[in-house]
Amino acid sequence: IAGITQAPTSQILAAGRRMTLRCTQDMRHNAMYWYRQDLGLGLRLIHYSNTAGTTGKGEVPDGYSVSRANTDDFPLTLASAVPSQTSVYFCASSDNRGSYNEQFFGPGTRLTVL
Amino acid sequence: AQSVTQLDSQVPVFEEAPVELRCNYSSSVSVYLFWYVQYPNQGLQLLLKYLSGSTLVKGINGFEAEFNKSQTSFHLRKPSVHISDTAEYFCAVVKTSYDKVIFGPGTSLSVIP
Repeated sequence: IAGITQAPTSQILAAGRRMTLRCTQDMRHNAMYWYRQDLGLGLRLIHYSNTAGTTGKGEVPDGYSVSRANTDDFPLTLASAVPSQTSVYFCASSDNRGSYNEQFFGPGTRLTVL
Repeated sequence: AQSVTQLDSQVPVFEEAPVELRCNYSSSVSVYLFWYVQYPNQGLQLLLKYLSGSTLVKGINGFEAEFNKSQTSFHLRKPSVHISDTAEYFCAVVKTSYDKVIFGPGTSLSVIP
């Protein structure tokens, strides 16, 4: 079944550790996104990529980095995790970054930083 | 700045009763509007969207929403809810000339048997 996969499903991490959240899509979508979801705040965009080889900063990029080496993969890295990065992280993709396009979401990664 | 308000953080409703989830946005330019649903422990999926044309938009699972430009609202409705509609619902807005999607804080719908 086509869609987006994320790994791991959940993770508990010590503060200061490095962590990479994986995201893979098989829909050949050009655009990909990383969001964090926090109670009462909805989804906030961390980073995005319009197409392979390009990335951009979203609303809350500090402490996170991304890469887009190919169309399918869009990993999110926390270089040195802090407790405020405890959240549920969603990867999403869309056909292109046009404003009318539906975004397709992965199942999420629940990250706890202690 | 663009923003999205969902006035109710939690909405409990009895099974087979009607429901309305409210969404208001602030924008001085034309926008596209979306409703997404998030079932427990899942990612978001699109319920419906308004791009242009008829202001009444029908989506999946019997939901519909009405775009009201003068009131800058895009309320979601369903005439008769089921237990399976229990989920978190997010309103989202994007300027037609831009591509950054702004999500509302979400409304948690709980359907009571």
